[in-house]
Amino acid sequence: QKEVEQNSGPLSVPEGAIASLNCTYSDRGSQSFFWYRQYSGKSPELIMFIYSNGDKEDGRFTAQLNKASQYVSLLIRDSQPSDSATYLCAVNRDDKIIFGKGTRLHILP
Amino acid sequence: DVKVTQSSRYLVKRTGEKVFLECVQDMDHENMFWYRQDPGLGLRLIYFSYDVKMKEKGDIPEGYSVSREKKERFSLILESASTNQTSMYLCASSFGTGQGAMVDEQFFGPGTRLTVL
Repeated sequence: QKEVEQNSGPLSVPEGAIASLNCTYSDRGSQSFFWYRQYSGKSPELIMFIYSNGDKEDGRFTAQLNKASQYVSLLIRDSQPSDSATYLCAVNRDDKIIFGKGTRLHILP
Repeated sequence: DVKVTQSSRYLVKRTGEKVFLECVQDMDHENMFWYRQDPGLGLRLIYFSYDVKMKEKGDIPEGYSVSREKKERFSLILESASTNQTSMYLCASSFGTGQGAMVDEQFFGPGTRLTVL
């Protein structure tokens, strides 16, 4: 099993709808979970982090963590064309962060 | 704002050349990282450092070495470049304090696209 798994996409979502991005991880000892956004030709930038089970909201973004099921998700409400990017899930393994390969999100105008 | 800069955006080298990629951060961060990013393979950690003159191997250190003589600067060295090292190289830094505090937000530089002919 890969350490951090994401569906590569592309995930196509109509403008204004909710985009749902999912990530599963293999290490039950992981404690830190991150979502990075990467626009084409640019470097990743952090948009959310979560450490505790449950939901964490920041503007249009909500991160959800379920440690028992070993998954973390990112919801984007009221999707905008500017949300079109690759979203990288990252999880700690001991003292390092392991990145998933990313999900390409395409918001349809 | 944290700023991480990399010496070149694009670099073309020949097989067998020694290549230096430089990274500088201006926020007094303890931790610095070098990744490569390839289509279909994602971001892979090459080396990292949590203190001056300290270095740790990541997941794919073969063919690379690093140097951290000053806190703000972390260099990646390809001793003898090969075509399979053609890639996008990303440097990152994070605040952290000590080895156990490395799992915090990482700030990335703009990347260096290296082509080895």
